[in-house]
Amino acid sequence: AAGVIQSPRHLIKEKRETATLKCYPIPRHDTVYWYQQGPGQDPQFLISFYEKMQSDKGSIPDRFSAQQFSDYHSELNMSSLELGDSALYFCASSLRGLAGDKAHEQYFGPGTRLTVT
Amino acid sequence: AQTVTQSQPEMSVQEAETVTLSCTYDTSENNYYLFWYKQPPSRQMILVIRQEAYKQQNATENRFSVNFQKAAKSFSLKISDSQLGDTAMYFCAFMKPWGGGGTSYGKLTFGQGTILTVHP
Repeated sequence: AAGVIQSPRHLIKEKRETATLKCYPIPRHDTVYWYQQGPGQDPQFLISFYEKMQSDKGSIPDRFSAQQFSDYHSELNMSSLELGDSALYFCASSLRGLAGDKAHEQYFGPGTRLTVT
Repeated sequence: AQTVTQSQPEMSVQEAETVTLSCTYDTSENNYYLFWYKQPPSRQMILVIRQEAYKQQNATENRFSVNFQKAAKSFSLKISDSQLGDTAMYFCAFMKPWGGGGTSYGKLTFGQGTILTVHP
């Protein structure tokens, strides 16, 4: 079965540079979530989109922005990168329009490992 | 705000034996979902099992089962017949289901994780 695709898988940037992370949800999934996992930590929710509209916002810095496009893929844009932004960034997707409990299951992509030097 | 606590930083078990990972949570919500995710060394997050708070019956997926105690706000994961491939970090997660309005619906709140090592 098709899974969530994230690109790039690895990214190395310098301080103050910008980065764009891309997420392609499972086909037909209408909801995308972004999480940040620092070294040795649990994933922290950043932001989510449902049907191309922002659904919820977590601890996302103002330097970050994100959107979901008409084909449901999503991009996380990160500017003025700091050393502390080095982390594994996950995208997850779900099918909110599905009836029943499985609609609440989130499936994660492999993550993008961002290193800021 | 919801909090999720996993009090066992590390656990180990012999192959073919049974192990239980603990998780407690705090919420004032009555309707919610609980999940266990597995993160092997590849760092991929893999959904293991889901429990609906409105269901009294404990969820089961093959060798994985949960003990859900709603009043005690406890949600433990039991792995039977442990296999070497079960070696991973396990995260317990809480979610308020969307549809109720307001904010913070649909996002996962994770515990700190438990590193499980299965020994041959």
